Amino acid sequence: NAGVMQNPRHLVRRRGQEARLRCSPMKGHSHVYWYRQLPEEGLKFMVYLQKENIIDESGMPKERFSAEFPKEGPSILRIQQVVRGDSAAYFCASSPGLAGSQETQYFGPGTRLLVL
Amino acid sequence: AQKVTQAQTEISVVEKEDVTLDCVYETRDTTYYLFWYKQPPSGELVFLIRRNSFDEQNEISGRYSWNFQKSTSSFNFTITASQVVDSAVYFCALSDVNFGNEKLTFGTGTRLTIIP
Repeated sequence: NAGVMQNPRHLVRRRGQEARLRCSPMKGHSHVYWYRQLPEEGLKFMVYLQKENIIDESGMPKERFSAEFPKEGPSILRIQQVVRGDSAAYFCASSPGLAGSQETQYFGPGTRLLVL
Repeated sequence: AQKVTQAQTEISVVEKEDVTLDCVYETRDTTYYLFWYKQPPSGELVFLIRRNSFDEQNEISGRYSWNFQKSTSSFNFTITASQVVDSAVYFCALSDVNFGNEKLTFGTGTRLTIIP
């Protein structure tokens, strides 16, 4: 079974450009979570999505950041007009999303974003 | 609000020594889940263990063991007979029981270095 896939693994952008990060959950998983890890820090929750729905975006910056998880295809985390402070590792995690069950999240390898 | 504290920022031990990584958590919930993840130098996050708040039994898996004590809100992780491959950053994390939303609150991590 393939694990959680993220691409690209490394992304370099200049200030003002857009960054698009992709996440394909594990097979059979319908819940996706995005986390951000700033240098030398722990991971911070950003957003939780199910297919076609944003369930919890309490950790997302109010501007420039958006996320989606369409019916078909991967989940996308989009950062518009990137700034140097957006440089971080962005991790995606997925879980089965079984009703009434608390499940373990499995993480992808992360995307390292560097803003020049 | 939930909080996870990993007071040990960095630990170095000589190979074959035992080492314990501390984790203290805060939550208002009576039901919750605790996790440990390993982040090796390659950067991915590897799931190690999940423990629910009703299960205070200690767990052993090979050289790894976990000591969960609700009375002190701690979930400590011990590696016995450490090996160089254990060198990594270890994160403790907490999730409340909010079915359908399993977002994790992470500690800041402990960087473990095993000296050959």
